[in-house]
Amino acid sequence: QVQLQESGPGLVKPSQTLSLTCTVSGDSISSSSNYWSWIRQPAGKGLEWIGRIYTTGGTNYNPSLKSRVTISLDTSKNQFSLNLNSVTAADTAVYYCARLRGVGRWLIPSYFDYWGQGTLVSVSS
Amino acid sequence: DIQMTQSPSSLSASVGDRVTITCRASQTIRTFLNWYQQKPGKAPNLLIYDASSLQSGVPSRFSGSGSGTDFTLTISSLQPEDSATYFCQQSYSSLTFGGGTKVEIK
Repeated sequence: QVQLQESGPGLVKPSQTLSLTCTVSGDSISSSSNYWSWIRQPAGKGLEWIGRIYTTGGTNYNPSLKSRVTISLDTSKNQFSLNLNSVTAADTAVYYCARLRGVGRWLIPSYFDYWGQGTLVSVSS
Repeated sequence: DIQMTQSPSSLSASVGDRVTITCRASQTIRTFLNWYQQKPGKAPNLLIYDASSLQSGVPSRFSGSGSGTDFTLTISSLQPEDSATYFCQQSYSSLTFGGGTKVEIK
């Protein structure tokens, strides 16, 4: 059974960098045919995709966040991480990591089949 | 960017009712459309992928249909445990979610 678990600070000061890690079990991020992704959800609102990374280290980000986001892999620990810089109160949200299933011959990134439980990150001084 | 519009934003129905939620894309997305259920305080759970394929372990009362720009999630006989918010998500170009539909039990 694939499991994901987010970890990181629950409080970040404005203008600083939000850093989260997702630890994966039950699948290998270095050999999987899937992608690994971050999604966030402000309280009472909808879901916003942040970005994804593949086993090769190739990334793709939401254009609205691209200038502030970096996603990276640590294959030795079977983890992937999110860095979001220059945060403001608008970045306060529950952050989820998830496996993004690659489908078909071309491994088209398609749907999120496993999710972490989510972690609340608040941006406040 | 492809915008996903769900309707209604909320609904209230009785146990046993047939419930339909719609999702409209701002341009064609073929069948690159997925549906999720989210209960309060929990992560979303995949129900339907590729517009109409039922995810393993999901009850058969859930079904999806549509292609192009218009899609539907149907719950054939609403159960108390189906009280939740439902989101659609497209993967044709980048990844975007609909705004959600909150389903309540009368």
